[in-house]
Amino acid sequence: SQTIHQWPATLVQPVGSPLSLECTVEGTSNPNLYWYRQAAGRGLQLLFYSVGIGQISSEVPQNLSASRPQDRQFILSSKKLLLSDSGFYLCAWNRRTNSPLHFGNGTRLTVT
Amino acid sequence: GQQLNQSPQSMFIQEGEDVSMNCTSSSIFNTWLWYKQDPGEGPVLLIALYKAGELTSNGRLTAQFGITRKDSFLNISASIPSDVGIYFCAGIASGAGSYQLTFGKGTKLSVIP
Repeated sequence: SQTIHQWPATLVQPVGSPLSLECTVEGTSNPNLYWYRQAAGRGLQLLFYSVGIGQISSEVPQNLSASRPQDRQFILSSKKLLLSDSGFYLCAWNRRTNSPLHFGNGTRLTVT
Repeated sequence: GQQLNQSPQSMFIQEGEDVSMNCTSSSIFNTWLWYKQDPGEGPVLLIALYKAGELTSNGRLTAQFGITRKDSFLNISASIPSDVGIYFCAGIASGAGSYQLTFGKGTKLSVIP
């Protein structure tokens, strides 16, 4: 069966510091991968999605970037965090377009 | 883009009661999904619907894909304390890809023992 791993679970970082959140999927090949941000327990906002290695699409302009160095690895990064980057970040995958998304357990990021 | 109106925003019910929540849109959707999110965790898929009129059950949960393809509802029968959480509807509009999945704002369910 397929599983998705996200880490770390929680992170507290000072403003201006870099960020790297990692997500990996097991048990499938060539998944579509997604990064979402959720504010205040509601409202999932799509940040990035990827349909293959090195292919990244950004949905909203922001202080974050994403990379997909391997087929089942998706990384969310920032060079300098802002206070407004605080939130709950969720990685997700699906096997093909239009199939349901499956989410990881999320990373709670607090920028201080 | 498309918007989903999910209601109610929150509800408090007694254990054992049935629950109903729904999502509506002004656009036609090809896929409706229902997720549950526990505090501090990611959403978990409950039910997926792919055809207008489709009625699907998952244990005490039942969801339907509206005939007009512009709405969906989720029912929970005989609620128990572990049903507490936030329930999200999500849909993929006609002609869109899964990267254009639209989410409702969620229904926060509280169950009073």
